[in-house]
Amino acid sequence: EVQLVESGGGLVQPGRSLRLSCAASGLTFDDYAMHWVRQAPGKGLEWVSGINWNSGSIEYADSVRGRFTISRDNAKNSLSLQMNSLRPEDTALYYCAKGGQSTLNGWFDAWGQGTPVTVSS
Amino acid sequence: QSVLTQPPSASGTPGQRVTISCSGSSSNIGTNYVHWYQQLPGTAPKLLIYKNNQRPSGVPDRFSGSKSGTSASLAISGLRSEDGATYYCAAWDDSLNAWGSLIGWVFGGGTKLTVL
Repeated sequence: EVQLVESGGGLVQPGRSLRLSCAASGLTFDDYAMHWVRQAPGKGLEWVSGINWNSGSIEYADSVRGRFTISRDNAKNSLSLQMNSLRPEDTALYYCAKGGQSTLNGWFDAWGQGTPVTVSS
Repeated sequence: QSVLTQPPSASGTPGQRVTISCSGSSSNIGTNYVHWYQQLPGTAPKLLIYKNNQRPSGVPDRFSGSKSGTSASLAISGLRSEDGATYYCAAWDDSLNAWGSLIGWVFGGGTKLTVL
């Protein structure tokens, strides 16, 4: 069974940084793309960023491009999201999601439980 | 404002069949697969339908998906109380923004299904 466990969320002031992590188990990690998807309180799902199996293809949503950096360590079965210059509108529950294939355009077939990020002074 | 358009709400009684629509454009639904996710209250989303009409293992055949042109639909037959959830459609978008960057994944705004 695939398990994705996010960590690193918390309360942070606007303009500061935070690094999220996702530990994956129960899968051949380097066979699949990985993604971050967020959900603001009471709102819908928003894709944040994705990285293909070998980190050769990385994409970001317009709302975070230039501020967030996604990375993965296939040796450690882990995914990260470095979030800089945080804004109040980045407040959300951040989900780690497994892609259904090695490329970015596969569906999300497993999700973690999410880690909350609150950006407020 | 979501790129994919879904009705904000839907409802039905137990045993009924309900459908949820998802409208997009040529750069997303028109050229790529549509996927559907179910989010029960207070839980993480779960993959319900992938590649327009494929069900992951464990998803009842009461759930079905279809796509035509730039629109897609999720149908739930034999509605049950535990189907009360929010349903999201999603598709990959091949278009570029004003700065030449790929749009990537887009979601619908979600449809909250109430079982009366």
